[in-house]
Amino acid sequence: AQSVTQLGSHVSVSEGALVLLRCNYSSSVPPYLFWYVQYPNQGLQLLLKYTTGATLVKGINGFEAEFKKSETSFHLTKPSAHMSDAAEYFCAVSDSGGYNKLIFGAGTRLAVHP
Amino acid sequence: DAEITQSPRHKITETGRQVTLACHQTWNHNNMFWYRQDLGHGLRLIHYSYGVQDTNKGEVSDGYSVSRSNTEDLPLTLESAASSQTSVYFCASSPGTTGTDTQYFGPGTRLTVL
Repeated sequence: AQSVTQLGSHVSVSEGALVLLRCNYSSSVPPYLFWYVQYPNQGLQLLLKYTTGATLVKGINGFEAEFKKSETSFHLTKPSAHMSDAAEYFCAVSDSGGYNKLIFGAGTRLAVHP
Repeated sequence: DAEITQSPRHKITETGRQVTLACHQTWNHNNMFWYRQDLGHGLRLIHYSYGVQDTNKGEVSDGYSVSRSNTEDLPLTLESAASSQTSVYFCASSPGTTGTDTQYFGPGTRLTVL
């Protein structure tokens, strides 16, 4: 069965510092991988996704993630944090057992302080 | 603009009552999904539908039901609400039948069962 593990339920960084949110997955088939962001009192919106091809994926708001098959990882990074990046971030893998079903990690809450 | 809406946004009910949460999308998407969000669990799939008259159980379907009579709507019914069903509920939709599709999320319904 597929699963997603996000290391660190809370991450705190200073404004301007590197953001690194960790995601590891397990999958018996080549995975499709997603990062979603949830701002307070809102639904989730897509940051970026990996399907096939280039393993470094660029998303919105300056975020990017790299698919590393050997490490079964899809970590999310941003070179310089902004206060507006404070949100909850979810990594997800597409379930091979059904069309477009997603399996989510538990989420990482990012705090950005001045 | 196309969108996905949920109503009500907040609901308080009593144990044992039947509750229906509405989800409406105007993208004409085939796929619709219901998730619940709980601290430490991320989002877990309750039910999903790939088209009119199609419904499927997700990971945490006990005590919930859905029906799909048209493309735009997928109401979620709690047959007899329990305190364990206190949660935030998200509806999502996606256009096609591939694992690469982006899911678009509604704003959520916060349900409290007393």
